[in-house]
Amino acid sequence: NAGVMQNPRHLVRRRGQEARLRCSPVKGHSHVYWYRQLPEEGLKFMVYLQKENIIDESGMPKERFSAEFPKEGPSILRIQQVVRGDSAAYFCASSPLSGGLGTDTQYFGPGTRLTVL
Amino acid sequence: TQLLEQSPQFLSIQEGENLTVYCNSSSVFSSLQWYRQEPGEGPVLLVTVVTGGEVKKLKRLTFQFGDARKDSSLHITAAQPGDTGLYLCAGARNTGKSTFGDGTTLTVKP
Repeated sequence: NAGVMQNPRHLVRRRGQEARLRCSPVKGHSHVYWYRQLPEEGLKFMVYLQKENIIDESGMPKERFSAEFPKEGPSILRIQQVVRGDSAAYFCASSPLSGGLGTDTQYFGPGTRLTVL
Repeated sequence: TQLLEQSPQFLSIQEGENLTVYCNSSSVFSSLQWYRQEPGEGPVLLVTVVTGGEVKKLKRLTFQFGDARKDSSLHITAAQPGDTGLYLCAGARNTGKSTFGDGTTLTVKP
């Protein structure tokens, strides 16, 4: 769909390691969103970024989680010192315009499935 | 906190039957999206509705946005096994952040 790329598709980490999830938005899209999904549940918003700015991080855990969207390169969701409860699918979405219009559709990537052993 | 409640949570029907999935909220949204997600994949956009009372049709799928822009429905006519999947609604506001419902898992048996 629409060209959002995420890698890796699957990531296995042991407790205490770091996980780095990458997202390349659709070409021309400058807005990126990260979501987390547990099995048979909906998507839970984590963070909304524009290039070099965090717009809304109200869904991000206060500790161990961080996100960035640099001027060049993909957006990165970083989880430090992972715990088993971090195991989930993490989805990235991108949109072309600011949220001001309220009609900007988000296009999703295929997700990264993180498993913490 | 803006919540979107989807119902039913699970739905299992026979091929050829009709069904309706509901998405309700106490909040007003600027727009609402419906997505379909298959196992192991990301959500795929089906439709965006913007105007209160709007009805959009996509082949056998009919989407409606409530007059007050707080709720929406998805109706599928003559369901097929290929319609099986997780259907998600998402409400968008001017902040850019979208709120997702927990989804309806649809199984269509041949």
